[in-house]
Amino acid sequence: DTEVTQTPKHLVMGMTNKKSLKCEQHMGHRAMYWYKQKAKKPPELMFVYSYEKLSINESVPSRFSPECPNSSLLNLHLHALQPEDSALYLCASSQSETGGLNQPQHFGDGTRLSIL
Amino acid sequence: QKEVEQNSGPLSVPEGAIASLNCTYSDRGSQSFFWYRQYSGKSPELIMSIYSNGDKEDGRFTAQLNKASQYVSLLIRDSQPSDSATYLCAVVRDQAGTALIFGKGTTLSVSS
Repeated sequence: DTEVTQTPKHLVMGMTNKKSLKCEQHMGHRAMYWYKQKAKKPPELMFVYSYEKLSINESVPSRFSPECPNSSLLNLHLHALQPEDSALYLCASSQSETGGLNQPQHFGDGTRLSIL
Repeated sequence: QKEVEQNSGPLSVPEGAIASLNCTYSDRGSQSFFWYRQYSGKSPELIMSIYSNGDKEDGRFTAQLNKASQYVSLLIRDSQPSDSATYLCAVVRDQAGTALIFGKGTTLSVSS
């Protein structure tokens, strides 16, 4: 079990559907992240929120829309996805920097997304 | 392009042996380094973080950092079959942000 909770664990959706992935942490972390991971590949960064503001968008297609309603919650809204978007979507969080050093990121269990 | 390189393996060791996993990175200014373990179908789990040159030990795990050589390693002593997983080396991409760059991972197989 992790301290970063992601729901749902599995999601199957059609290309015309709209769905949302949710992530929650109660560790007081002020940075939250979305990653995409395909099979046998490392996680790829999608978005970074720092103090509830979007600080990094890795040129992700607009069919992925992140939202950070408060410091504990992070959503990823999905619309008109393509079959190649099928992957494990990972949420992570970390404290802000301490002494100029980056604190480690802690990952949730992920949402396994399949696009039909 | 800033990169993190790992030997993809598989690295096979017998139970009880020392497993040595290596990682090199291209950005000389990097200051924060992490090792994650990922079991098949699961999410990455933090094993070690290291920020200073030298060794850092935690139980059976030792991380080693050499900034001059731009090299990070992870030693696993008394390897167990339960250590069989993919080990991901991660480096913070730049000092202004918190984005991680992951290596492709090394698959470790510990045989009993």
